[in-house]
Amino acid sequence: DIQMTQSPSSLSASVGDRVTITCRASQTINSYLNWYQQKPGKAPKLLIYTTSSLPSGVPSRFSGSGSGTDFTLTISSLQPEDFGAFYCQQTYSTPFTFGPGTKVDIK
Amino acid sequence: QLQLQESGPGLVKPSETLSLTCTVSGDSINTNTYYWAWIRQPPGKGLEWIATFPYSGSAYYNSSLKSRVTISVDTSKTQFSLKLSSITAADTAVYYCARQWLVDYHNFMDVWGQGTTVTVSS
Repeated sequence: DIQMTQSPSSLSASVGDRVTITCRASQTINSYLNWYQQKPGKAPKLLIYTTSSLPSGVPSRFSGSGSGTDFTLTISSLQPEDFGAFYCQQTYSTPFTFGPGTKVDIK
Repeated sequence: QLQLQESGPGLVKPSETLSLTCTVSGDSINTNTYYWAWIRQPPGKGLEWIATFPYSGSAYYNSSLKSRVTISVDTSKTQFSLKLSSITAADTAVYYCARQWLVDYHNFMDVWGQGTTVTVSS
């Protein structure tokens, strides 16, 4: 199984800050890396797919990059509604594994 | 607009079989354009993928659960179901259904249900 790790496990940032979350796969996954945001008590929401593509409706302050084993989610200017847990997921091979999550709080 | 809604018993006794249903509205279920998936999340923990399957064809399973998982699709009711046998407390989780795109170089879950909470307890 491909193991996914994320760092940091949590962060607290101010509105307007640039926030970066990293995700690492235990082996190469090409570009099969997705990001989800989950707010407390809610279902995950697709944020980025295939490393860097934004679904319709996702604000452009979110961006993704990387390849192989190392990936990054960047929020260019943190907004009050950007709190929650962020999960990366590899879909290169089954089982489709998720990272442990990064919890983002707004200061 | 596609919507997914999970339903289930809420409370299940250990050793029993858990049965969950996902009702699809706003789009057709019987298409090979995309797949369907089940994912779960134990309380306070991360996400665990259970299975991905088309309306017709072979499914993909998490090997850690495969021996206990049964998937079915009812196109007449626009529903698909998950059965998980020999339930233990470790199966206590919020269970989500989702639509999954597997096309070209893309593979992602773009629409999720709101989730249904399952507690395993005697």
